[in-house]
Amino acid sequence: AQKVTQAQTEISVVEKEDVTLDCVYETRDTTYYLFWYKQPPSGELVFLIRRNSFDEQNEISGRYSWNFQKSTSSFNFTITASQVVDSAVYFCALVNDYKLSFGAGTTVTVRA
Amino acid sequence: DTGVSQDPRHKITKRGQNVTFRCDPISEHNRLYWYRQTLGQGPEFLTYFQNEAQLEKSRLLSDRFSAERPKGSFSTLEIQRTEQGDSAMYLCASSPWGTGVLEQYFGPGTRLTVT
Repeated sequence: AQKVTQAQTEISVVEKEDVTLDCVYETRDTTYYLFWYKQPPSGELVFLIRRNSFDEQNEISGRYSWNFQKSTSSFNFTITASQVVDSAVYFCALVNDYKLSFGAGTTVTVRA
Repeated sequence: DTGVSQDPRHKITKRGQNVTFRCDPISEHNRLYWYRQTLGQGPEFLTYFQNEAQLEKSRLLSDRFSAERPKGSFSTLEIQRTEQGDSAMYLCASSPWGTGVLEQYFGPGTRLTVT
């Protein structure tokens, strides 16, 4: 069975602080894909990043970076120097046969 | 570049009525997905199509729900005899043809309220 756990329900920070979102997943598959999506107040889910299980190299893309640790089944996501526009719900997701299994989401509020 | 569109954006209906939602995927995306999202939760998978073929249906999709994608382009999701528990956001997503697993692009959703 596939399961994604986002233990943090809400995070509130002041602008320019870094924000790290935790994600722990369970899967029996040896090859799998993980995603992060953002859902701003407008409601539309926006794709942020994708990582496959056979590449553990961590990357940085602009203000976003991610830390994939296969040994601990974690896929954490960091926003550097947060901005008010980053306020949204962030979802971690795992793919099984093309369908996404989402965590419950973490609400990030960035205060000016 | 046109994204995924959904119609209507909001629907209020009385319990027992039938409702139908439409999704237009990104052009040339051959995979189309329906998800349901309730307040405070992540989206849950309902069903998916590859071209016009419906390849998988979740247990969440009771016999009151039916989805179609007649010509492999737009899709409709119909709920018959709506119940208050059907109140949710219904999200559509599409992804392109290709090897590997590719990201899904979501529409704005249809928010259903059953009174």
